[in-house]
Amino acid sequence: NAGVTQTPKFQVLKTGQSMTLQCAQDMNHEYMSWYRQDPGMGLRLIHYSVGAGITDQGEVPNGYNVSRSTTEDFPLRLLSAAPSQTSVYFCASRPDRSSYEQYFGPGTRLTVT
Amino acid sequence: GENVEQHPSTLSVQEGDSAVIKCTYSDSASNYFPWYKQELGKRPQLIIDIRSNVGEKKDQRIAVTLNKTAKHFSLHITETQPEDSAVYFCAASRSLGGSNYKLTFGKGTLLTVNP
Repeated sequence: NAGVTQTPKFQVLKTGQSMTLQCAQDMNHEYMSWYRQDPGMGLRLIHYSVGAGITDQGEVPNGYNVSRSTTEDFPLRLLSAAPSQTSVYFCASRPDRSSYEQYFGPGTRLTVT
Repeated sequence: GENVEQHPSTLSVQEGDSAVIKCTYSDSASNYFPWYKQELGKRPQLIIDIRSNVGEKKDQRIAVTLNKTAKHFSLHITETQPEDSAVYFCAASRSLGGSNYKLTFGKGTLLTVNP
C-alpha cells in the first residue's frame, strides 16, 4: 500500500491563479480531510468527507472547494489563489466511524506570490 | 466550536529528563484526544490517544492523562532521548463518527532534547 499520497510536493502560484492539490489513498478509507498548517497555528481543518459524494466544511473553508467522486481521491481546488493561502497542506484519511487514527499524507508546500 | 489551548509552545530538556505538555479544551462534549508527533519536514504521526472513558493511558515511555472535570489532558514523556525532539500537537474531537467528526488541534509544542 502506498498509503496517502499527495501531489505536487511543492508549488508556486501567482495571485489569482487556480490549481488543484491532489490527494489519493489506497486503503479504502471512508473518511478524508484537508488541513493547512501555518507557523504557530497548528493544523486547521479546511474540508472533510465522510464518503464518496459527501463533503462538508471545516474551520477555514473560504477560498477552497472539494469534491469526492470516488473513495480513493479527494482533490482540493484553489479557485483564485491569494498570498494568505501560502501554507503547507496535508491530506489525511481514516478507515471509518469506528476507527480513530488518522493517516496523513506527506504534504504539499504552496507559495502564492 | 471547540478551542484547544496548548502549553508550552517550546520546551527544552536534557536527555533522560521528563517532558510534560499540557492542553485544555473548551467543549465538554469532546470525547477523543489524540497526540501527534511531527518531525521537521515530515507528516504528523499519531503517537498516543485517549478516550473520555479512560483517565490515563501508557505506551512505553509515553503516557497521557485526562481530567474531564477540568477539561485538560497532558502528554508525559519519560527518559527523553534526542530522537524525541519534534513538534507535538494535541487535538480534541466531539465525536468519532458521522459528520460531527472534526479534530481541533492545539498550536503545537517544539520539544528539544539536548544530549
